[in-house]
Amino acid sequence: DAGVTQSPTHLIKTRGQQVTLRCSPKSGHDTVSWYQQALGQGPQFIFQYYEEEERQRGNFPDRFSGHQFPNYSSELNVNALLLGDSALYLCASSFTQGGEQYFGPGTRLTVT
Amino acid sequence: GENVEQHPSTLSVQEGDSAVIKCTYSDSASNYFPWYKQELGKRPQLIIDIRSNVGEKKDQRIAVTLNKTAKHFSLHITETQPEDSAVYFCAARVGDSWGKLQFGAGTQVVVTP
Repeated sequence: DAGVTQSPTHLIKTRGQQVTLRCSPKSGHDTVSWYQQALGQGPQFIFQYYEEEERQRGNFPDRFSGHQFPNYSSELNVNALLLGDSALYLCASSFTQGGEQYFGPGTRLTVT
Repeated sequence: GENVEQHPSTLSVQEGDSAVIKCTYSDSASNYFPWYKQELGKRPQLIIDIRSNVGEKKDQRIAVTLNKTAKHFSLHITETQPEDSAVYFCAARVGDSWGKLQFGAGTQVVVTP
């Protein structure tokens, strides 16, 4: 039974560029939440996708957008990258919106 | 607004001793409180959780207690072992949402042999 997977593992981008991160949920899960974890801090909620729609959103600008596909996998897109977007991006999957959330290994994004 | 405070930020214990981490939350409607363990360079791992209709939950050497009146919850690790060394995060599910978790800033636990 595969757990939550994310790709790529690491990514280096230049300020102003755009990036797409991908997440495949744990088998049997239908909900994907995205979090940003800066160094030395707890994860910060970006948004949650359920039934292919964004259901909740944290305090992140519109530069952060996402998508969920019919197979429940999800993408996180960040436009106009800023240096401050450098962080570990984690996705977590759950069965329904209120279920226990299990994290993927994360994508380390570095913006130079 | 939504806020979860976690203390202490670092905790050093001798192997075999107990460790306690405390969190407080601000949203009285919060109803679900998970704890995650994150080893260096690894993903956060769900280790235990508690819902607002329960006051205490135990799983082998770890336990979580919840005081809804005071809006605080704690993680207790007994008989600590070196492999318990990690950063521990508490979280609270925001009361008016289904899945948004608000995390504490984390506690670095170091267990020395």
